[in-house]
Amino acid sequence: EVQLVESGGGLVKPGGSLRLSCAASGLTFSNAWMTWVRQAPGKGLEWVGRIKSKTDGGTADFAAPVKGRFTISRDDSKNTLHLQMNSLKTEDTAVYYCTTLGTGTLRYWGQGTLVTVSS
Amino acid sequence: QSALTQPPSASGSPGQSVTISCTGTSSDVGGYNYVSWYQQHPGKAPKLMIYEVSKRPSGVPDRFSGSKSGNTASLTVSGLQAEDEADYYCCSFAGSLNYVFGTGTKVTVL
Repeated sequence: EVQLVESGGGLVKPGGSLRLSCAASGLTFSNAWMTWVRQAPGKGLEWVGRIKSKTDGGTADFAAPVKGRFTISRDDSKNTLHLQMNSLKTEDTAVYYCTTLGTGTLRYWGQGTLVTVSS
Repeated sequence: QSALTQPPSASGSPGQSVTISCTGTSSDVGGYNYVSWYQQHPGKAPKLMIYEVSKRPSGVPDRFSGSKSGNTASLTVSGLQAEDEADYYCCSFAGSLNYVFGTGTKVTVL
């Protein structure tokens, strides 16, 4: 059974930084493309970014609102995905989900971790 | 990239059918057969219901079906049941390795 468990959320001031993690099990993580999706309180889902497997280049792409501020990395030795968020804004407040990505499909989702950006 | 357009709400009585539309452009829904649908109950993570326009993952009831015509994709839930009451989101590949979600539809079982 595939399990994704996010951690690292919390309260941070505008302009601050936060690093989220996603621990994966039940899949060959090194072969997996992974994404981050967020959901602001009471709002819809928003794609944040995606990282390829290292064998496919390991590169990451981001949605326009976070490009240049967020980075995605992976530690295949620990089956862990990271989202580094810098220069945080109040509009980044959301629940952040990590998901697997295959043939355009976000098949498995974690339970999410809440990030609150507020002074 | 603008969000895909879904109706804010849809409803039906138990046993009836409800269809949710998801309208995009030729750069996303119309350009690729990578449309998926997700069900989300309050306080829970989204769950994959349909992928690649019309395929169902194992474990998803065959009451759920998907289709696409031009720039609009659709999700139909037949034989509505109380547990189908949830928010539903479509998602499409949008090129340049980006993805876009729909605005979401709240389905109410009357």
